[in-house]
Amino acid sequence: AQSVTQLGSHVSVSEGALVLLRCNYSSSVPPYLFWYVQYPNQGLQLLLKYTTGATLVKGINGFEAEFKKSETSFHLTKPSAHMSDAAEYFCAVRGKGRGSTLGRLYFGRGTQLTVWP
Amino acid sequence: DTAVSQTPKYLVTQMGNDKSIKCEQNLGHDTMYWYKQDSKKFLKIMFSYNNKELIINETVPNRFSPKSPDKAHLNLHINSLELGDSAVYFCASSQEGVDTQYFGPGTRLTVL
Repeated sequence: AQSVTQLGSHVSVSEGALVLLRCNYSSSVPPYLFWYVQYPNQGLQLLLKYTTGATLVKGINGFEAEFKKSETSFHLTKPSAHMSDAAEYFCAVRGKGRGSTLGRLYFGRGTQLTVWP
Repeated sequence: DTAVSQTPKYLVTQMGNDKSIKCEQNLGHDTMYWYKQDSKKFLKIMFSYNNKELIINETVPNRFSPKSPDKAHLNLHINSLELGDSAVYFCASSQEGVDTQYFGPGTRLTVL
């Protein structure tokens, strides 16, 4: 079974400050890893993903995340927060199995990011 | 062009009614999904179809029945609506062998 834990349901930062959103996963094999962003009353938009290869992945809007197998983590960072970054962020893992596990996304419970002026 | 679209965006109805939510994707994907987001924003998969065949069927009440008339459409029909069905329902699609899922804007269902 796979699971995702996002530490901190709410994170507040000042504009221009570092953004760090934490994500840890539990999986028998390293899964595919994703970060999605949800703006108010909108659907989910893919920020970035890790499948194979380079463990530091860059996404849209200046976000990046690093896959650390030894720590089973995939934390999301952005060097300088902007007001427009305020949203809900979801970490997700995707199974690599076949059959019913194929394609299934397991989501964390989300982290609400607030950016203060 | 909207990649994954859902109708309606908002749905308010009474307990006991039957309602449907429609989803269409124009990405040419062969796999489509329904997710439920509860009031605490937790997202959980409900169903998945691949080439019109049901692949994932989570433990959801039988009142929920997905229907896929073709690869581009996956509709969700809900019978005898209950208060606990109130949530945001998201449709998503992907191409088998490619990992990224694309989500629709969501349908906010409110059962009174």
